[in-house]
Amino acid sequence: GQQVMQIPQYQHVQEGEDFTTYCNSSTTLSNIQWYKQRPGGHPVFLIQLVKSGEVKKQKRLTFQFGEAKKNSSLHITATQTTDVGTYFCAGLSGYSTLTFGKGTMLLVSP
Amino acid sequence: EAGVAQSPRYKIIEKRQSVAFWCNPISGHATLYWYQQILGQGPKLLIQFQNNGVVDDSQLPKDRFSAERLKGVDSTLKIQPAKLEDSAVYLCASSLGWGNEQYFGPGTRLTVT
Repeated sequence: GQQVMQIPQYQHVQEGEDFTTYCNSSTTLSNIQWYKQRPGGHPVFLIQLVKSGEVKKQKRLTFQFGEAKKNSSLHITATQTTDVGTYFCAGLSGYSTLTFGKGTMLLVSP
Repeated sequence: EAGVAQSPRYKIIEKRQSVAFWCNPISGHATLYWYQQILGQGPKLLIQFQNNGVVDDSQLPKDRFSAERLKGVDSTLKIQPAKLEDSAVYLCASSLGWGNEQYFGPGTRLTVT
């Protein structure tokens, strides 16, 4: 079945440093979604990417969808303590259901 | 707009007991999902409904788990009998349709002792 892998599993940065998490799928995706889960909270939708090579920005967050539609990345510029949480990518392939990666846990020290 | 509601928020049971979780999706959302999230992992889909029909239940352990969505609105997920490895957070989510962004409820944290 479809697999979605994320790296790194965990990253600890100092406030102000940049952060990137990478997502790779075993199959070509029709779209990819990103979610953020704060400690003790539930996943919250961030963005959806559909087109090959698509780049979307939300303030300090930049999302990219690979040309082959099998990988994606999330980059945060100048992290803040409010960015703490686990970032999940979730891929949709064909008529399958959404498959979540294991997530990247981000810890930001002030 | 009200979000996805779930109850109870926490549940502690002994193994071999039964438990049921309830979910009320966002009004107008046709698609409802139940996920199991084990600590340190991403949500794993258990079952997906489109209105009151099952779209995907391939990862639902059908010997002990069951779910229904009567009238295409509320849904219940039941575990009977529970095993230690069922300890997890059970998340309900809903979306307008297949492939759309999902809105998650607060989850039910189940501990099986």
